[in-house]
This record gives sequence, C-alpha cells and structure tokens, in this order.
Amino acid sequence: AQKITQTQPGMFVQEKEAVTLDCTYDTSDQSYGLFWYKQPSSGEMIFLIYQGSYDEQNATEGRYSLNFQKARKSANLVISASQLGDSAMYFCAMRAYSGAGSYQLTFGKGTKLSVIP
Amino acid sequence: DAGVTQSPTHLIKTRGQQVTLRCSPKSGHDTVSWYQQALGQGPQFIFQYYEEEERQRGNFPDRFSGHQFPNYSSELNVNALWLGDSALYLCASSLDGIGTYEQYFGPGTRLTVT
Repeated sequence: AQKITQTQPGMFVQEKEAVTLDCTYDTSDQSYGLFWYKQPSSGEMIFLIYQGSYDEQNATEGRYSLNFQKARKSANLVISASQLGDSAMYFCAMRAYSGAGSYQLTFGKGTKLSVIP
Repeated sequence: DAGVTQSPTHLIKTRGQQVTLRCSPKSGHDTVSWYQQALGQGPQFIFQYYEEEERQRGNFPDRFSGHQFPNYSSELNVNALWLGDSALYLCASSLDGIGTYEQYFGPGTRLTVT
C-alpha cells in the first residue's frame, strides 16, 4: 500500500519569495510516480508537476520544481517567486505502476498555502 | 477543447436517498476515475472505469457503484445515503496507455446529505 504524508497543515510566504512544501511517501513498489496538485477554493484539482521514480533529474515546470530525494522518500514542491494567485491547497499524490492499486492516485492531506502581499 | 465536466455542481439530499453524479471526460480520454474528498482531507479513490468496466476499486462499500458509457462518460451512484457521504466528488479522466500519467480533474460535485 502507498502512503503520502504532508506534515505542514498551513504555510505562509511573502509575495515574490520562494516556498517549499514538504511531502514524504511510503511504498514498496519500485516503479511509481509522484504528483503535485493545486486546489483553489473553487475545488478543481490542477496538475502542477510530475516526477517518475526512475527520472534522474528533478522535474521543473515554470515556477514549480520538485526536489526528489529517493533515498529519503521525499518529493518536496518548491514554488519560486510566489504570487498572490498561488494561495490555495496543495496536494502531493502518488501512483504505483504495478500490482494492486496501480491505477489510483493516493493523496496526502494537503498543505494550505497563503501568500502575503 | 473542453476539459472534464461534472454535473450537477451542488446537490442536497436526505439521508437514505439515492444520488447520481455525472462526468464527461476530456476529449480523447478513455478512462474515468472517481474520488471522494471530505472536508479538510485529500481525495480518496473510489473506483476507475475503462472500456465500460470497473477496473479497480478503492475501500468503499457496495453502496457506491458506477457506470461508463460507450462515449466514455461516466456516472457515480450512491445508494442509501449517510451523513458521512457529504463531500466533494471529483471525477478525473486520463488516456490509458504506456507513458501516460496525467489525470485531469473536473470541478467536482459538492454533495450535502442532511
């Protein structure tokens, strides 16, 4: 079974500063993917970034980067140059690519990010 | 290109009633997954449909059932509603196949059971 842990219920960041949202995971699978989603108050889950377990380089997508440390089983999201529109819930998720549960995303409990002007 | 759509947006039901939620996947996608998100929690996987069949199911009782139509749209049915079924129900679509991984989510249906 897969498990995602997000230990920061809430985070504050000053506009234009960088912020790191923590995510640790637990799985016995060798092949898996890690995802970050943003959920504004409207409810829709917006895909931000993806990291495969065999990817050697950390994923980047614009202002988002994923700090992947496989040995520590962590996949932290780094948002650079925060904007007011970044205020939202952020969820880390995992998908295994073999065996039971291979078609589902397992989510953490989320981190609420608030960007301060 | 329309993304994932869900209907209705909001719904209020009484305990014991039945409800049907609907989802249309993103154009070109053939797989639909349903998630339940209780207040203050992350989404929990209910089940996934592919080729009109339930391919995988999460830890949800049989009161939760679904269907996928030939046009890939899907329905989620919940019978004998409990107060605890109050949640945001999210539909996600994807394209099955090697190398694909991204699931696109709809805006959700917020169900309130009184």
